[in-house]
Amino acid sequence: QVQLQESGPGLVKPSQTLSLTCTVSGGSISSGGYYWSWIRQHPGKGLEWIGYIYYSGSTYYNPSLKSRVTISVDTSKNQFSLKLSSVTAADTAVYYCARERTTVTHWFDPWGQGTLVTVSS
Amino acid sequence: EIVLTQSPGTLSLSPGERATLSCRASQSVSSSYLAWYQQKPGQAPRLLIYGASSRATGIPDRFSGSGSGTDFTLTISRLEPEDFAVYYCQLAITFGQGTRLEIK
Repeated sequence: QVQLQESGPGLVKPSQTLSLTCTVSGGSISSGGYYWSWIRQHPGKGLEWIGYIYYSGSTYYNPSLKSRVTISVDTSKNQFSLKLSSVTAADTAVYYCARERTTVTHWFDPWGQGTLVTVSS
Repeated sequence: EIVLTQSPGTLSLSPGERATLSCRASQSVSSSYLAWYQQKPGQAPRLLIYGASSRATGIPDRFSGSGSGTDFTLTISRLEPEDFAVYYCQLAITFGQGTRLEIK
């Protein structure tokens, strides 16, 4: 079955760019029918959708983060990536990647295990 | 923007009891787009229910979802020890704030 795994630095300095990669196994990003998403969870808080990408490269971002977010895809590596610029302590969170279904219904499954990113000098 | 409000914030029950969790949308929505997730400490959320009432693969039948319009419900018929967790509803890109189900 499809599995997702996040990777990237666990510590980022304020004002720098957070960069994470999600590697998909057990299925192809290019098979279509799904979007590939990033979601974050601030410590002890709820879930915030960041954005998604389709294998073709089309993207959609949360309006509240749009000015700082870039999501890209590398179909040859079966990976997609998140970049969040100008980070502050408020961006400290667990970042999840997930497969998103939006046709007829809407859900996220499966999810990666999540990776904690701390913004601190 | 649609807001999802979950209630109660915390629900204290004993194993074997029935749990009823609520998710209310700020305006009428299509039930096709309403999903529920379970999250245990240190784990990613797990899809339980999609389309308001369809169980995801591998989800036990003690979990059921219902509702339409603005009011949706997740019911756990008989609580097992492993069911104590936080539950989130989701509509499109919006999540509710969660209900914590704790052991009484």
